[in-house]
Amino acid sequence: DTTVKQNPRYKLARVGKPVNLICSQTMNHDTMYWYQKKPNQAPKLLLFYYDKILNREADTFEKFQSSRPNNSFCSLYIGSAGLEYSAMYLCARGGGFNQDTQYFGPGTRLLVL
Amino acid sequence: QQKVQQSPESLSVPEGGMASFNCTSSDRNFQYFWWYRQHSGEGPKALMSIFSDGDKKEGRFTAHLNKASLHVSLHIRDSQPSDSALYFCAASEPTDKVVFGTGTRLQVSP
Repeated sequence: DTTVKQNPRYKLARVGKPVNLICSQTMNHDTMYWYQKKPNQAPKLLLFYYDKILNREADTFEKFQSSRPNNSFCSLYIGSAGLEYSAMYLCARGGGFNQDTQYFGPGTRLLVL
Repeated sequence: QQKVQQSPESLSVPEGGMASFNCTSSDRNFQYFWWYRQHSGEGPKALMSIFSDGDKKEGRFTAHLNKASLHVSLHIRDSQPSDSALYFCAASEPTDKVVFGTGTRLQVSP
């Protein structure tokens, strides 16, 4: 979906260093999501926003932070990257409630060394 | 336990053939189902949504839902090499977030 953009597309990070991933959308949708996708696994929901309200999943609560200064922009922040954070990170707008379809950005592939 | 299970894990069909994907959920509260497709290097893109029992057809794609058996399927007729991708089933309750399956990888050979 070209209405959801992610930057950077590829990110190389060192263990213990912070990582900040960016997502933007042009549709001004109320909801935005961040997923982590590893090979042979289902996309795993990390957190989502409804308007300015942040909801973080219980099992990733302490590992990921986020900010959403306006409806068009959302970030995903890792304070101290570990090897296990290597994955594709997908941002999506819309969806999750009732019959609303989600629209994903192209993803950011993060490699932690 | 994975709430949305997909089969097979991978699938290979010849060009022009029929590709079929299966998805079973373990949560009877799921009411809404989607099929997403992800090509290499891209994010998932919604193919179809299906919310009512029965068939839904869009071009070469047909989805079938049976809520009583918690089963949803996707069929692609006249498969093309460009259909080669990872296919995800997704489901949600009316007031909750979407849950994805682990995906089925389709390879369509010319």
